Amino acid sequence: KAGVTQTPRYLIKTRGQQVTLSCSPISGHRSVSWYQQTPGQGLQFLFEYFSETQRNKGNFPGRFSGRQFSNSRSEMNVSTLELGDSALYLCASSARMGEKLFFGSGTQLSVL
Amino acid sequence: QKEVEQNSGPLSVPEGAIASLNCTYSDRGSQSFFWYRQYSGKSPELIMSIYSNGDKEDGRFTAQLNKASQYVSLLIRDSQPSDSATYLCVVRETTDSWGKLQFGAGTQVVVTP
Repeated sequence: KAGVTQTPRYLIKTRGQQVTLSCSPISGHRSVSWYQQTPGQGLQFLFEYFSETQRNKGNFPGRFSGRQFSNSRSEMNVSTLELGDSALYLCASSARMGEKLFFGSGTQLSVL
Repeated sequence: QKEVEQNSGPLSVPEGAIASLNCTYSDRGSQSFFWYRQYSGKSPELIMSIYSNGDKEDGRFTAQLNKASQYVSLLIRDSQPSDSATYLCVVRETTDSWGKLQFGAGTQVVVTP
């Protein structure tokens, strides 16, 4: 069974641009969550989706948004990028909410 | 104050000894608790989950939960160099599966031969 797939693996953007990250969950998993990881702040929860509906949202500005499609694939969008958005963005899937999370390898975003 | 607090370490442990990791949380209604291990440059992976007060053992790992004290811990017995990693304490808030996940900053464990 394929694991969680995140694309792209690396991304370089400039301030003010927007970016879209993609996450394909493990087949059969219906819950997808997103996280930002930085050396200073650790791993922080962004949002969580289940059956195409956002169920939870972390304490991030509205520039961070996401969605989940009917096939459970999810995308995360960050608009008007800031230098502080440089981070590793991790996606995780689980069969149902509250169950074991399986993480993807992440997308390393650098904002110049 | 962060919702989930962990000592950042590094926690240096001789090979074969017991590593003891501690975690406190602020949301008294939290019901689900997890320990994830993250090797450098890798993604986190689940080691243990615990939902009831007391101890839960799985191989060399034991999770301990005390909801009254809002405290959860992880013991690693017979520590091996392969246990060197960052351990993340994760708490799901509220009493159902819809609550937010809160992550601790992680405790770095270094097992020395």
